[in-house]
Amino acid sequence: NAGVTQTPKFQVLKTGQSMTLQCAQDMNHEYMSWYRQDPGMGLRLIHYSVGAGITDQGEVPNGYNVSRSTTEDFPLRLLSAAPSQTSVYFCASSRDWGMQYFGPGTRLTVL
Amino acid sequence: SQKIEQNSEALNIQEGKTATLTCNYTNYSPAYLQWYRQDPGRGPVFLLLIRENEKEKRKERLKVTFDTTLKQSLFHITASQPADSATYLCALGDGNQFYFGTGTSLTVIP
Repeated sequence: NAGVTQTPKFQVLKTGQSMTLQCAQDMNHEYMSWYRQDPGMGLRLIHYSVGAGITDQGEVPNGYNVSRSTTEDFPLRLLSAAPSQTSVYFCASSRDWGMQYFGPGTRLTVL
Repeated sequence: SQKIEQNSEALNIQEGKTATLTCNYTNYSPAYLQWYRQDPGRGPVFLLLIRENEKEKRKERLKVTFDTTLKQSLFHITASQPADSATYLCALGDGNQFYFGTGTSLTVIP
Protein backbone atom coordinates (compact mmCIF):
# COMPACT_ATOMS: atom_id res chain seq x y z
CA ASN A 1 0.00 0.00 0.00
CA ALA A 2 1.20 3.52 -0.79
CA GLY A 3 -0.77 4.88 2.19
CA VAL A 4 -1.60 8.59 1.90
CA THR A 5 -0.01 10.45 -0.99
CA GLN A 6 0.05 14.20 -1.56
CA THR A 7 1.06 16.26 -4.56
CA PRO A 8 2.83 18.53 -5.08
CA LYS A 9 5.55 18.45 -2.41
CA PHE A 10 6.37 22.14 -2.87
CA GLN A 11 4.47 25.00 -4.49
CA VAL A 12 4.97 28.73 -4.85
CA LEU A 13 1.99 30.88 -5.77
CA LYS A 14 1.39 34.55 -6.30
CA THR A 15 -1.35 36.31 -4.36
CA GLY A 16 -4.70 35.77 -6.05
CA GLN A 17 -3.76 32.58 -7.88
CA SER A 18 -5.79 29.43 -7.36
CA MET A 19 -4.60 25.85 -7.10
CA THR A 20 -5.59 22.38 -5.96
CA LEU A 21 -3.62 20.27 -3.51
CA GLN A 22 -4.12 16.60 -4.25
CA CYS A 23 -4.57 13.86 -1.66
CA ALA A 24 -5.19 10.17 -2.26
CA GLN A 25 -5.29 7.09 -0.06
CA ASP A 26 -5.43 3.40 -0.95
CA MET A 27 -6.55 1.99 2.41
CA ASN A 28 -10.31 2.30 1.75
CA HIS A 29 -10.64 4.71 4.67
CA GLU A 30 -13.91 6.57 5.04
CA TYR A 31 -12.51 9.48 7.04
CA MET A 32 -10.19 12.04 5.44
CA SER A 33 -8.99 15.42 6.70
CA TRP A 34 -6.91 18.41 5.70
CA TYR A 35 -4.70 20.23 8.22
CA ARG A 36 -2.35 23.14 8.05
CA GLN A 37 0.72 23.38 10.27
CA ASP A 38 2.22 26.73 11.16
CA PRO A 39 5.10 27.46 13.56
CA GLY A 40 3.82 27.84 17.11
CA MET A 41 0.24 26.99 16.11
CA GLY A 42 0.19 23.24 15.85
CA LEU A 43 -1.89 21.34 13.34
CA ARG A 44 -5.28 22.95 12.64
CA LEU A 45 -8.16 21.19 10.91
CA ILE A 46 -9.34 22.87 7.71
CA HIS A 47 -11.98 20.51 6.31
CA TYR A 48 -12.86 16.89 6.79
CA SER A 49 -14.98 14.18 5.17
CA VAL A 50 -16.69 11.14 6.68
CA GLY A 51 -17.32 9.49 3.31
CA ALA A 52 -17.79 10.09 -0.39
CA GLY A 53 -20.12 13.02 -0.96
CA ILE A 54 -19.93 14.24 2.65
CA THR A 55 -17.69 17.11 3.76
CA ASP A 56 -17.68 19.55 6.65
CA GLN A 57 -15.72 22.50 7.96
CA GLY A 58 -13.03 22.28 10.57
CA GLU A 59 -11.46 24.98 12.69
CA VAL A 60 -10.01 27.17 9.88
CA PRO A 61 -12.04 26.64 6.66
CA ASN A 62 -12.04 30.16 5.19
CA GLY A 63 -10.36 30.44 1.80
CA TYR A 64 -10.47 26.69 1.13
CA ASN A 65 -12.89 24.36 -0.64
CA VAL A 66 -13.04 20.57 -0.67
CA SER A 67 -15.04 17.85 -2.39
CA ARG A 68 -15.11 14.07 -2.02
CA SER A 69 -16.39 12.36 -5.14
CA THR A 70 -14.59 9.06 -4.44
CA THR A 71 -13.43 7.25 -1.31
CA GLU A 72 -9.81 7.53 -2.45
CA ASP A 73 -9.43 11.23 -3.28
CA PHE A 74 -9.88 14.39 -1.24
CA PRO A 75 -8.54 17.49 -3.03
CA LEU A 76 -8.15 20.85 -1.31
CA ARG A 77 -8.72 23.98 -3.40
CA LEU A 78 -7.34 27.40 -2.67
CA LEU A 79 -9.68 29.81 -4.37
CA SER A 80 -7.58 32.99 -4.30
CA ALA A 81 -4.28 32.48 -2.54
CA ALA A 82 -3.19 34.94 0.16
CA PRO A 83 0.16 35.23 1.99
CA SER A 84 -1.63 34.09 5.18
CA GLN A 85 -2.09 30.70 3.52
CA THR A 86 1.65 30.12 3.43
CA SER A 87 1.95 26.92 5.44
CA VAL A 88 2.60 23.20 5.36
CA TYR A 89 -0.53 21.25 4.46
CA PHE A 90 -1.14 17.68 5.58
CA CYS A 91 -3.81 15.28 4.45
CA ALA A 92 -4.81 12.42 6.75
CA SER A 93 -7.09 9.41 6.53
CA SER A 94 -8.48 6.95 9.05
CA ARG A 95 -10.83 4.02 9.28
CA ASP A 96 -12.74 5.79 12.03
CA TRP A 97 -11.99 8.74 14.28
CA GLY A 98 -9.04 6.91 15.80
CA MET A 99 -5.58 6.42 14.41
CA GLN A 100 -4.91 8.84 11.56
CA TYR A 101 -2.44 8.18 8.74
CA PHE A 102 -0.80 11.36 7.50
CA GLY A 103 0.65 12.12 4.10
CA PRO A 104 4.13 13.63 3.62
CA GLY A 105 2.81 17.19 3.34
CA THR A 106 2.80 20.02 0.80
CA ARG A 107 4.89 23.09 1.57
CA LEU A 108 3.08 26.12 0.09
CA THR A 109 4.47 29.63 -0.19
CA VAL A 110 2.26 32.51 -1.32
CA LEU A 111 4.11 35.62 -2.41
CA SER B 1 -12.90 24.61 21.04
CA GLN B 2 -10.18 23.00 23.09
CA LYS B 3 -6.96 24.72 24.07
CA ILE B 4 -4.08 22.27 24.35
CA GLU B 5 -0.72 23.01 25.93
CA GLN B 6 2.40 20.92 25.65
CA ASN B 7 5.85 21.52 27.16
CA SER B 8 6.81 24.73 25.39
CA GLU B 9 10.51 24.21 26.00
CA ALA B 10 12.51 21.61 24.15
CA LEU B 11 13.41 18.59 26.26
CA ASN B 12 16.98 17.22 26.30
CA ILE B 13 17.70 13.99 28.15
CA GLN B 14 20.53 11.48 28.39
CA GLU B 15 20.27 8.19 26.57
CA GLY B 16 18.80 5.47 28.78
CA LYS B 17 16.73 7.87 30.91
CA THR B 18 12.96 8.21 30.88
CA ALA B 19 11.48 11.12 28.96
CA THR B 20 8.19 12.53 30.25
CA LEU B 21 6.13 14.84 28.07
CA THR B 22 3.04 16.70 29.24
CA CYS B 23 -0.22 17.54 27.48
CA ASN B 24 -2.74 19.74 29.28
CA TYR B 25 -6.16 20.75 28.00
CA THR B 26 -8.50 23.43 29.25
CA ASN B 27 -12.08 22.57 28.45
CA TYR B 28 -14.22 19.48 28.74
CA SER B 29 -12.55 16.09 28.75
CA PRO B 30 -12.38 14.50 25.32
CA ALA B 31 -13.56 11.01 24.53
CA TYR B 32 -9.98 10.03 23.68
CA LEU B 33 -6.52 11.43 23.33
CA GLN B 34 -3.76 10.48 20.91
CA TRP B 35 0.00 10.89 20.72
CA TYR B 36 1.92 11.27 17.47
CA ARG B 37 5.58 11.51 16.54
CA GLN B 38 6.77 13.95 13.88
CA ASP B 39 10.22 14.03 12.32
CA PRO B 40 11.47 17.15 10.47
CA GLY B 41 9.90 17.49 7.03
CA ARG B 42 7.60 14.49 7.55
CA GLY B 43 3.97 13.93 8.45
CA PRO B 44 2.96 12.88 11.98
CA VAL B 45 2.97 9.17 12.77
CA PHE B 46 0.45 7.68 15.20
CA LEU B 47 1.84 6.19 18.41
CA LEU B 48 -0.89 5.59 20.98
CA LEU B 49 -4.56 6.29 21.71
CA ILE B 50 -6.07 6.34 25.19
CA ARG B 51 -9.78 6.60 25.96
CA GLU B 52 -11.36 8.62 28.77
CA ASN B 53 -12.19 5.50 30.75
CA GLU B 54 -8.58 4.24 30.59
CA LYS B 55 -6.02 5.44 33.10
CA GLU B 56 -2.94 4.05 31.36
CA LYS B 57 -1.85 2.51 28.07
CA ARG B 58 1.46 0.86 27.18
CA LYS B 59 3.19 -0.09 23.97
CA GLU B 60 6.75 -1.41 24.17
CA ARG B 61 8.82 1.44 25.72
CA LEU B 62 5.94 3.92 25.54
CA LYS B 63 3.40 4.65 28.26
CA VAL B 64 0.53 7.13 28.25
CA THR B 65 -1.62 8.20 31.18
CA PHE B 66 -4.86 10.15 31.08
CA ASP B 67 -6.11 12.05 34.15
CA THR B 68 -9.49 13.66 33.45
CA THR B 69 -9.49 15.32 36.88
CA LEU B 70 -6.22 17.13 36.22
CA LYS B 71 -7.10 17.49 32.49
CA GLN B 72 -3.70 16.10 31.67
CA SER B 73 -1.98 13.33 29.76
CA LEU B 74 1.59 12.25 30.35
CA PHE B 75 3.66 10.47 27.70
CA HIS B 76 6.67 8.48 28.86
CA ILE B 77 9.49 6.96 26.82
CA THR B 78 11.55 4.60 28.94
CA ALA B 79 15.17 3.61 28.17
CA SER B 80 15.31 6.46 25.66
CA GLN B 81 17.51 6.21 22.57
CA PRO B 82 18.90 8.84 20.19
CA ALA B 83 16.46 7.49 17.57
CA ASP B 84 13.62 8.72 19.80
CA SER B 85 14.64 12.33 19.07
CA ALA B 86 11.65 13.98 17.37
CA THR B 87 8.70 16.25 18.06
CA TYR B 88 5.79 14.63 19.88
CA LEU B 89 2.25 15.88 19.40
CA CYS B 90 -0.84 15.23 21.46
CA ALA B 91 -4.28 15.41 19.89
CA LEU B 92 -7.75 15.46 21.40
CA GLY B 93 -10.72 13.95 19.63
CA ASP B 94 -13.99 15.81 20.03
CA GLY B 95 -16.73 14.34 17.87
CA ASN B 96 -15.54 14.85 14.31
CA GLN B 97 -12.91 17.42 15.20
CA PHE B 98 -9.31 16.95 16.23
CA TYR B 99 -7.30 19.53 18.15
CA PHE B 100 -3.51 19.25 18.21
CA GLY B 101 -0.99 20.71 20.58
CA THR B 102 2.06 22.55 19.25
CA GLY B 103 4.30 19.63 20.15
CA THR B 104 7.35 19.09 22.34
CA SER B 105 10.77 18.68 20.76
CA LEU B 106 12.73 15.85 22.38
CA THR B 107 16.46 15.33 21.93
CA VAL B 108 18.08 12.21 23.38
CA ILE B 109 21.81 12.78 23.91
CA PRO B 110 24.10 9.75 23.46
